[in-house]
Amino acid sequence: QVQLQQRGAGLLKPSETLSLTCAVYGGSFAGYCWSWIRQSPGKELVWIGEINHSGSTKYNPSLKSRVTISIDMPKNEVSLRLTSVTAADTGVYYCAKMPASVTLNCKSYMDVWGTGTTVTVSS
Amino acid sequence: QSVLTQPPSVSAAPGQKVTISCSGSNSNIGNNYLSWYQQVPGKAPKLLIYENNKRPSGIPDRFSGSKSGTSATLGITGLQTVDEAVYFCGTWDASLSVVVFGGGTMLTVL
Repeated sequence: QVQLQQRGAGLLKPSETLSLTCAVYGGSFAGYCWSWIRQSPGKELVWIGEINHSGSTKYNPSLKSRVTISIDMPKNEVSLRLTSVTAADTGVYYCAKMPASVTLNCKSYMDVWGTGTTVTVSS
Repeated sequence: QSVLTQPPSVSAAPGQKVTISCSGSNSNIGNNYLSWYQQVPGKAPKLLIYENNKRPSGIPDRFSGSKSGTSATLGITGLQTVDEAVYFCGTWDASLSVVVFGGGTMLTVL
């Protein structure tokens, strides 16, 4: 059974860069897609973006200028970078696995979720 | 304001049935598969239903999903206290080019 273990800094100052990593254990890394989702304190879920195992990415247009999602195949890890953070970026960040179609397009649902990382942006 | 509209809360007694609605448009629910998630307080969301009405392995058949046009419904029968959670719907929105979620529905089992 695939498990996702997240790590990264949880307290940032405005203008700093958020960096989170998601390690994939217990299953194949290749052949799937990987996404990041943020949950605001008000509980709204916001999709940040996704990456397939060949490195092709899609990002939420509202965050695209600040977001980079990457994969490290040898390490079975997926990473998220979000630059120039503000208080509006505060929330719980989840990595999640998404199935892929036979044409390697990511399906739009998440079947395994990480435990989440609480990120607070405050001066 | 979420792209997908869900009622903020529903409630029912143990053993009863409850339905949770999710309303959208042709750019999302109307032309894409819908999924449902359960989130217990303090935990990550958990996939309950994918591709409108399919259950992942391990999800009991008390949970069911359906879709008609630009709306979808999650049904839960034989309610148990462990079902108390927030339920979210989600799908792809082709106009916005993002995965979108509903605002969540808090289920209380009285």
